[in-house]
Amino acid sequence: DVKVTQSSRYLVKRTGEKVFLECVQDMDHENMFWYRQDPGLGLRLIYFSYDVKMKEKGDIPEGYSVSREKKERFSLILESASTNQTSMYLCASGESTGGEQYFGPGTRLTVT
Amino acid sequence: TQLLEQSPQFLSIQEGENLTVYCNSSSVFSSLQWYRQEPGEGPVLLVTVVTGGEVKKLKRLTFQFGDARKDSSLHITAAQPGDTGLYLCDPGSARQLTFGSGTQLTVLP
Repeated sequence: DVKVTQSSRYLVKRTGEKVFLECVQDMDHENMFWYRQDPGLGLRLIYFSYDVKMKEKGDIPEGYSVSREKKERFSLILESASTNQTSMYLCASGESTGGEQYFGPGTRLTVT
Repeated sequence: TQLLEQSPQFLSIQEGENLTVYCNSSSVFSSLQWYRQEPGEGPVLLVTVVTGGEVKKLKRLTFQFGDARKDSSLHITAAQPGDTGLYLCDPGSARQLTFGSGTQLTVLP
């Protein structure tokens, strides 16, 4: 079974803090994705990566950055957390762009 | 960015009833994935449809891909409380399209 793990299930941070969300997949997938999910807005793509050290902006990259130094690990960074970044963050991986995606359990981030 | 439209947004039914939810767009998809997400968890892949007109069955769930590959439907027969969740569709192949906002299904015992 494909396994995608995320470093935290729940996280509470203060406004202005730097926040790291980690995601690890064990299936040697080329592609990894970060989404945020908010009620009524569905899943919105923040960034994705199709190879080590490669990244592309998704639909809502503002206020976020990413890092992919190893194939299995994709990190999402909030440089200076703000309250409007309170959300559920979902990481996913997949063999190819356009194919099936396998999701982690999500991190519910609250910024106070 | 174009969004997929999913309908209905919310659906609450009694156990044993049948239901259909829809995923529509004006664009043509090369493939489409359906996912189910339970509260507090990430989405889990149910099926991928690829060919126009394709029908796939997964126990009581029937997935259909429109002939023109612009729409898809999910039909559940004799719904059970365990079917409760958020059903999402995703075209995957085109980054100008994103996940639909989903159909929140509640099946009452």
